[in-house]
Amino acid sequence: GQQVMQIPQYQHVQEGEDFTTYCNSSTTLSNIQWYKQRPGGHPVFLIQLVKSGEVKKQKRLTFQFGEAKKNSSLHITATQTTDVGTYFCAVRDSNYQLIWGAGTKLIIKP
Amino acid sequence: DGGITQSPKYLFRKEGQNVTLSCEQNLNHDAMYWYRQDPGQGLRLIYYSQIVNDFQKGDIAEGYSVSREKKESFPLTVTSAQKNPTAFYLCASSRWAGNTIYFGEGSWLTVV
Repeated sequence: GQQVMQIPQYQHVQEGEDFTTYCNSSTTLSNIQWYKQRPGGHPVFLIQLVKSGEVKKQKRLTFQFGEAKKNSSLHITATQTTDVGTYFCAVRDSNYQLIWGAGTKLIIKP
Repeated sequence: DGGITQSPKYLFRKEGQNVTLSCEQNLNHDAMYWYRQDPGQGLRLIYYSQIVNDFQKGDIAEGYSVSREKKESFPLTVTSAQKNPTAFYLCASSRWAGNTIYFGEGSWLTVV
């Protein structure tokens, strides 16, 4: 079945440094969704990308969809403590169900 | 206040017991889902339902059962056949399958 690879599994950064997580698929995607889960909380929808080469921004967060629609990235500029959590990508399969990436955990070094 | 309500927040199960986790939504969504999340891990789909009176097994359905008698409700029963049920359970819904998913706050189940 369809799979989506998300890397890295963890990223440790100093507050103020940047953070990036990537999702890759071997097949062309119709769209990709990004979610954030705070520690102890539930995933919350951030954004959906649909178009080839699409770039969307939400304050310090930049989301990109690859030209071939097989990969996507989420970049956070100048991380803050409020950014801590796990970021998941999710893609829709042929049965209209979401396939989830394994998540990237953002950890801010003390 | 619209959303998804899960209860209880915390639940303890003795060996050999069945327990039921409640999930109610007032978003008028057709599709509902149950996910399991183990500590530090991703989301694994247990069951999903795209319409009332219909549901499908996800990737890890063994030891679980569901019903969808009403559009608003999608309870999950963790049966005694589930040998390692300790986990965080998340109920979710979407307007239709594959659309943006909205999650409840989750239920923590611990076997004692």
